Amino acid sequence: KQEVTQIPAALSVPEGENLVLNCSFTDSAIYNLQWFRQDPGKGLTSLLLIQSSQREQTSGRLNASLDKSSGRSTLYIAASQPGDSATYLCAVMGNQFYFGTGTSLTVIP
Amino acid sequence: GAVVSQHPSWVICKSGTSVKIECRSLDFQATTMFWYRQFPKQSLMLMATSNEGSKATYEQGVEKDKFLINHASLTLSTLTVTSAHPEDSSFYICSARWSGGPSTDTQYFGPGTRLTVL
Repeated sequence: KQEVTQIPAALSVPEGENLVLNCSFTDSAIYNLQWFRQDPGKGLTSLLLIQSSQREQTSGRLNASLDKSSGRSTLYIAASQPGDSATYLCAVMGNQFYFGTGTSLTVIP
Repeated sequence: GAVVSQHPSWVICKSGTSVKIECRSLDFQATTMFWYRQFPKQSLMLMATSNEGSKATYEQGVEKDKFLINHASLTLSTLTVTSAHPEDSSFYICSARWSGGPSTDTQYFGPGTRLTVL
């Protein structure tokens, strides 16, 4: 069964710093990988989708990479802002979506 | 992008009552919809996979008689929590799978429904 792990579980950084969130998965047979943002009590917001044939995707200050063979993905956030504070989830899609455990990010003004 | 709606967005009910949550894909047809549950400070957990016109497939540990799923059309799936109890209080999120278009085989998520059982 696919297992998705995110490290770190929590991260606190001062505003303006660049940061990297990590996601690892055990089964490389995936269709795609998505990074989501979840604000407290809210639903999921899709940030980036990487198809299995792709290596990375970029949107604004966000860059996500995918190394399917090693079972790893990273989400890079440049010039972090207090509004980036949220929980970030990665999810891999095989026959179903498997979610990671999430990283709780706090950006300190 | 594709939109998935859920109704209601939050509901408070008494223990023992049943609650129905609707999930709609607004601008695409979804042959498959998924229901997730999220307890506080935990990640989402898949409850069941709902295929239009057939019985839902439940994950291990999820009681199918308690969480009734009906996927009546290509744009609507419903989750009914029967005889709800306080331990059923959670955040329920649905997603709809879109197998066509530029973003193939991806899921679009609803905004979630917060259920509180008193």
